[in-house]
Amino acid sequence: AQSVSQHNHHVILSEAASLELGCNYSYGGTVNLFWYVQYPGQHLQLLLKYFSGDPLVKGIKGFEAEFIKSKFSFNLRKPSVQWSDTAEYFCAVNDRWGKLQFGAGTQVVVTP
Amino acid sequence: DGGITQSPKYLFRKEGQNVTLSCEQNLNHDAMYWYRQDPGQGLRLIYYSQIVNDFQKGDIAEGYSVSREKKESFPLTVTSAQKNPTAFYLCASSIGQGFTGELFFGEGSRLTVL
Repeated sequence: AQSVSQHNHHVILSEAASLELGCNYSYGGTVNLFWYVQYPGQHLQLLLKYFSGDPLVKGIKGFEAEFIKSKFSFNLRKPSVQWSDTAEYFCAVNDRWGKLQFGAGTQVVVTP
Repeated sequence: DGGITQSPKYLFRKEGQNVTLSCEQNLNHDAMYWYRQDPGQGLRLIYYSQIVNDFQKGDIAEGYSVSREKKESFPLTVTSAQKNPTAFYLCASSIGQGFTGELFFGEGSRLTVL
């Protein structure tokens, strides 16, 4: 079955540090890829998505993600985080049956 | 404001009781979904509906039931057959009938079974 792996469950970093969250999936066919974010007390919302084209995707709030097909990866990056980036981040992949599979999530805490 | 409304936000029930969680959307989206969120496990799909009067089981449908009598409504019933019902439940919707688009989520319902 299709699976989505997020490498870190918890990440703690200081403001202005760079952030990279890993995401790998197991399906070898055509996929659509997403990163969702859940800020404290708020509902899940889309951060960015990749369907096709340029493998470097830019999203909201300065986030970007790179699709590397050969590595089955879709890592999320931000060059300089802010305290307001404290949230839980979920990678999601659209598998061959069309269902969206989510990773377990990474809790990111940014300290002042 | 357009969006997805879930109710109630918090719900406590005794073991053996069925519980129905409400999900209403005014986005005119065709597809609606129910996910369960548990710590360390991400979101798991319970049921989804791509069109009125039709729905499909997701990955963890056992012990749950749904209906889709109206486009804007997709209630989830957690039955007494669900062995571990205490969880955070999220409803979502999307434009079109597939999973290729963006999901819009509600604020969730937290169910605690005592």
